[in-house]
Amino acid sequence: QKEVEQDPGPLSVPEGAIVSLNCTYSNSAFQYFMWYRQYSRKGPELLMYTYSSGNKEDGRFTAQVDKSSKYISLFIRDSQPSDSATYLCAMSWDGSSNTGKLIFGQGTTLQVKP
Amino acid sequence: KAGVTQTPRYLIKTRGQQVTLSCSPISGHRSVSWYQQTPGQGLQFLFEYFSETQRNKGNFPGRFSGRQFSNSRSEMNVSTLELGDSALYLCASSFSDPGRETQYFGPGTRLLVL
Repeated sequence: QKEVEQDPGPLSVPEGAIVSLNCTYSNSAFQYFMWYRQYSRKGPELLMYTYSSGNKEDGRFTAQVDKSSKYISLFIRDSQPSDSATYLCAMSWDGSSNTGKLIFGQGTTLQVKP
Repeated sequence: KAGVTQTPRYLIKTRGQQVTLSCSPISGHRSVSWYQQTPGQGLQFLFEYFSETQRNKGNFPGRFSGRQFSNSRSEMNVSTLELGDSALYLCASSFSDPGRETQYFGPGTRLLVL
């Protein structure tokens, strides 16, 4: 079993739809939760960064973390064709054995159709 | 501020050869992490360097090695290439603690082993 599970999709939605992307994890030590967006042939870029449980909103993006359920989500409101990309969740925790290491989900490919 | 740069962007090698990839972090960043990205395994952590010292290493064979220079630039080397080493190699930089801080990724080096 992988430490972080993410449905690879692909997920196809019409423009303007609300998109929900999710990851589950097994390691209760995770404290830092991130969502990255990766366009084809590009490196990942950070979208959202959350410490511990709770919600965080940034424009059309909302990240939720539920540590009790070991579940994180990214919501995209009013989705646009430019949001078409692969979305990766990533996690880490404090500790000398984990310095510099992010654990990534497999990534979900999203296509927003005009 | 210039982003993370990686050279070369594309590389074709044959089995048994070795390869060196280079990464220049964002100015002022002292931590550099390396990841391998493949369709089957996703993004996997290779190693992380800070102030010329390797602080953490992933579960990759000894054929994968790296180093960091005093100007924080980093190189990774893969010796005795295998077909399965074909992947996108990404480096990411952060100021000092990539688990707690934003990691900024470069565009990657796409390696094809024939």
